[in-house]
Amino acid sequence: NAGVMQNPRHLVRRRGQEARLRCSPMKGHSHVYWYRQLPEEGLKFMVYLQKENIIDESGMPKERFSAEFPKEGPSILRIQQVVRGDSAAYFCASSYAVPYEKLFFGSGTQLSVL
Amino acid sequence: KNEVEQSPQNLTAQEGEFITINCSYSVGISALHWLQQHPGGGIVSLFMLSSGKKKHGRLIATINIQEKHSSLHITASHPRDSAVYICAVGNTGNQFYFGTGTSLTVIP
Repeated sequence: NAGVMQNPRHLVRRRGQEARLRCSPMKGHSHVYWYRQLPEEGLKFMVYLQKENIIDESGMPKERFSAEFPKEGPSILRIQQVVRGDSAAYFCASSYAVPYEKLFFGSGTQLSVL
Repeated sequence: KNEVEQSPQNLTAQEGEFITINCSYSVGISALHWLQQHPGGGIVSLFMLSSGKKKHGRLIATINIQEKHSSLHITASHPRDSAVYICAVGNTGNQFYFGTGTSLTVIP
């Protein structure tokens, strides 16, 4: 789905560095979701945002992780002081209106922590 | 136990075979999605359904709300259908629950 743009596609960080993952939703979409996919595991919900608001962050670790979706610009998932266990594929999805409407996914960012 | 269970985990089929992938869930549901993930990671939403049956080309998805079960069928399978198929359940809140996926390989 070219409509949801994630960058970078691949991100390599050393332990202790910061990782910033960006997601531009499809045009007109105001709902953004972040998911994490660990090797050999299914997608896990992290956080749900609407413009300028975090609606549900129950799936996001309380420490080191933060997310925002500003009025202008992409949604950002930020991981501070990365550890090896943060290595995963991070997917962003967006929807137009209600939270459980059809989702459009980005191609993901593969984070590797050395 | 996961909220969403898929079977089988892996499936190999000959080109032309009829394929069925099953999904059972335990959470309250607003809608169920079938997703396709190709090597390289991109995820495509195939279907969203809350009742009955939907068809798109060679793909058919059904859902039985009472039994909390959905199936994805692929008729006349083709090697380009090889991918991981993921069942995702959206509840009345904000969350989606995902199955771990079914890895399908279609051999020419």
